[in-house]
Amino acid sequence: EPEVTQTPSHQVTQMGQEVILRCVPISNHLYFYWYRQILGQKVEFLVSFYNNEISEKSEIFDDQFSVERPDGSNFTLKIRSTKLEDSAMYFCASIPADGYQETQYFGPGTRLLVL
Amino acid sequence: QKEVEQNSGPLSVPEGAIASLNCTYSDRGSQSFFWYRQYSGKSPELIMSIYSNGDKEDGRFTAQLNKASQYVSLLIRDSQPSDSATYLCAVNGVPGNQFYFGTGTSLTVIP
Repeated sequence: EPEVTQTPSHQVTQMGQEVILRCVPISNHLYFYWYRQILGQKVEFLVSFYNNEISEKSEIFDDQFSVERPDGSNFTLKIRSTKLEDSAMYFCASIPADGYQETQYFGPGTRLLVL
Repeated sequence: QKEVEQNSGPLSVPEGAIASLNCTYSDRGSQSFFWYRQYSGKSPELIMSIYSNGDKEDGRFTAQLNKASQYVSLLIRDSQPSDSATYLCAVNGVPGNQFYFGTGTSLTVIP
């Protein structure tokens, strides 16, 4: 069964450094999402992406963040100048099409620790 | 502001009992409702989706939706120790179909 994959599984970085989190959505999916979950807190929506552009973003997704689909398979989240409070699990998700009954399939996540 | 509220628990039930999990949401425009299970350190795993008022059953799980009351619930019958996890309620946002999650209810099934 096709799965969303994410790399790396764990990332440790120093405050102020840039990180790139990578996701490979399910191959025939068209809509892509990033979520984050700070330890002990709820899963929070960051951004959705369709047709090579951002379709929705939350107030969390500020200028520090950017997303890109550099080729036909990868979907990346870049965090510039990381802060301590960026430490969280980051989940990628995808759906085949924009229907309200579409279930989102989540990747295994990247655990980011900013020191 | 799109809010999804769940009792954080912890909820403890004996093995074989029925576990009842509840969720309320604020956005009347939401059309899709999902229950996910999350084990510590892992990603959310879909249990059930529900779109219409009423009950939807899948094995030991029953989801209930009442759009007028903006209320979604999940019943787990014959609870097993392996059901011990955090259960997340998710509601779709419009447009964009992004999900808004509750904080989750921690369930422990005691053997």
